[in-house]
Amino acid sequence: DIVMTQSPTSMSISVGDRVTMNCKASQNVGSNVDWYQQKTGQSPKLLIYKASNRYTGVPDRFTGSGSGTDFTFTISNMQAEDLAVYYCMQSNSYPWTFGGGTKLELK
Amino acid sequence: EVQLVESGGGLVQPGRSMKLSCAASGFTFSNYGMAWVRQAPTKGLEWVATISYDGSSTYYRDSVKGRFTISRDNAKSTLYLQMNSLRSEDTATYYCTRVRGQLRYWYFDFWGPGTMVTVSS
Repeated sequence: DIVMTQSPTSMSISVGDRVTMNCKASQNVGSNVDWYQQKTGQSPKLLIYKASNRYTGVPDRFTGSGSGTDFTFTISNMQAEDLAVYYCMQSNSYPWTFGGGTKLELK
Repeated sequence: EVQLVESGGGLVQPGRSMKLSCAASGFTFSNYGMAWVRQAPTKGLEWVATISYDGSSTYYRDSVKGRFTISRDNAKSTLYLQMNSLRSEDTATYYCTRVRGQLRYWYFDFWGPGTMVTVSS
């Protein structure tokens, strides 16, 4: 199975900060990585697909990049409503696997 | 508006069976692959199974292979997950998701609110 390792596991941030988190695949997954946001008590929501494509309606402060084994997700101007856990997922091969998540908390 | 609504969760004893349903609306169900993703309490997300748009192809994670069966009824716009020989480690919220993409890139563009399954004696 492909292991997706996210770092850091949590971050203390302030509104307005630039936030960057990483996802490393245990083997080459091409560009087949998605990013999801899960707020407390809610279902996950798709933000980025195929590494760098912003999903419909997702604000442009959210960006994704990377290919192969190293991927990055950035929030350029953190808003209070962005407090959540963020997950990467690879769909390059079965079983599709998620990273352990990065939790954003207010400083 | 796309809607996915799961049902059928609850408390079940280890070794018993349970069948989850997901009623879809707001889109042409028969055009899309579908999947189940679960989340154990306070844990991360875990893909469970995927079914193709016409039901001809199914995929499972190893830990549920042979115990769980994903299926669909396109006439009823409903997705199912039959879960047999349930174990305590199957305790989780189960999400129904719509699958988009092609070739090797896939993503879950809509999620239901989830249904909780608790396996305990």
